[in-house]
Formats: sequence, structure tokens, C-alpha cells
Amino acid sequence: SQQGEEDPQALSIQEGENATMNCSYKTSINNLQWYRQNSGRGLVHLILIRSNEREKHSGRLRVTLDTSKKSSSLLITASRAADTASYFCATVGPDNYGQNFVFGPGTRLSVLP
Amino acid sequence: KAGVTQTPRYLIKTRGQQVTLSCSPISGHRSVSWYQQTPGQGLQFLFEYFSETQRNKGNFPGRFSGRQFSNSRSEMNVSTLELGDSALYLCASSLVDSMNTEAFFGQGTRLTVV
Repeated sequence: SQQGEEDPQALSIQEGENATMNCSYKTSINNLQWYRQNSGRGLVHLILIRSNEREKHSGRLRVTLDTSKKSSSLLITASRAADTASYFCATVGPDNYGQNFVFGPGTRLSVLP
Repeated sequence: KAGVTQTPRYLIKTRGQQVTLSCSPISGHRSVSWYQQTPGQGLQFLFEYFSETQRNKGNFPGRFSGRQFSNSRSEMNVSTLELGDSALYLCASSLVDSMNTEAFFGQGTRLTVV
């Protein structure tokens, strides 16, 4: 079973607007990662935030992590049509040594030109 | 540098048959993980191999198995296929033996069971 939930399940915005996606998880984690998937293809890593970090930036991406609420958010600023994809959060538990991610159900983002 | 390569990209099999999927990780990566993606269950972890040893296993029946070779290439096998095994199977490789690294995914193998 999946650990967390992402919301919204689907998001449709205009080019240039910001997109915010949220992820919640149930157990303690070592780190949380965000991935993007285009049309049922492979996943592409976007950003990793460790459990002792609260915020991280990478280009137009901003990720926050609140371990007390067991939640994370991904903000994409000045969105582009090319950002249209599904976005997944993935967690790694503190007792799991290795790359066995628990993925959320994902948010499907549509950026309209 | 070549990415993670999965073969074949598409497969159609009949119920009851078995199938083998292949994954070649990025050169130098020793960890290979497998995931199943379906519309109903989303992305689910199958198993992970590191240095030819299964290090972690997800909650899948014994019909799902895998192995890793000395060159880090990995295969997964599904025996006695069921309709519900239709899915996108994704392989991911990682560089270092750590929890704090990103995974690189292949394009997946789309398996259809009829």
C-alpha cells in the first residue's frame, strides 16, 4: 500500500502561473524526493530533501518539508507547457537501507499555453 | 553516458505464460530497483538488488522474482501471468550505497497480459 497522498490529484493552470502540489506521508522518513513522469514514461528525479532540511530550491522548483505534519510541498514557479506531467513524491524510511521508495499517487499537472 | 535501458519496451503475453524483463543500469551503478505501475495501485516497489543480492523486497507474490548479474544488469521474471499483472514495469539504478541519493529510471516495459 502507498504511504502517502498527494493533492490535488489533478491541477490545470495557465502558462506563467505557479503550481503547488502537496504530499503527505504516514511514517518517519530519511528523505523525501520528487519525481516527474511524462505520459507513462520513466520518472525523472527533480529534487531530494533530507529529513533535517526544511526547504530546498532548484531552479524554478521549491520544496518544503514539515516532518511534524509529515507533509511536503512542491512549488513550480512561472510554469511552462513543458511542465505538463505527473509529479510524484517518494519517501525512504529511516530503517530502509537502499532504494526502495514508497510513492504517493501523484498529481497530474496540465499547463495550458 | 548512457541512461538506464530496459528491454523490451512493449510485451504482450497470454495468461499463464511467464515473462522476463531486462534492465541495464547506468555504468557504475550497483543498486537496481524494480517498480510496478498500474492505474489502480500506482507505483509499487517490487525489489531491489545490490551487488547481486536482493536487499529489499516489496509485498508481491512469489511469482515475481528477480536477479542481478555481476555486471549489475538485472532481470525480473513473472511466472504464471495474470491479467492483473498488466502494467508498466520500471527499473531504477543508483550510484552509491546510500539512502540519500537519487534514482535514475528507465523508460519502462509495458506488459499487457491477455
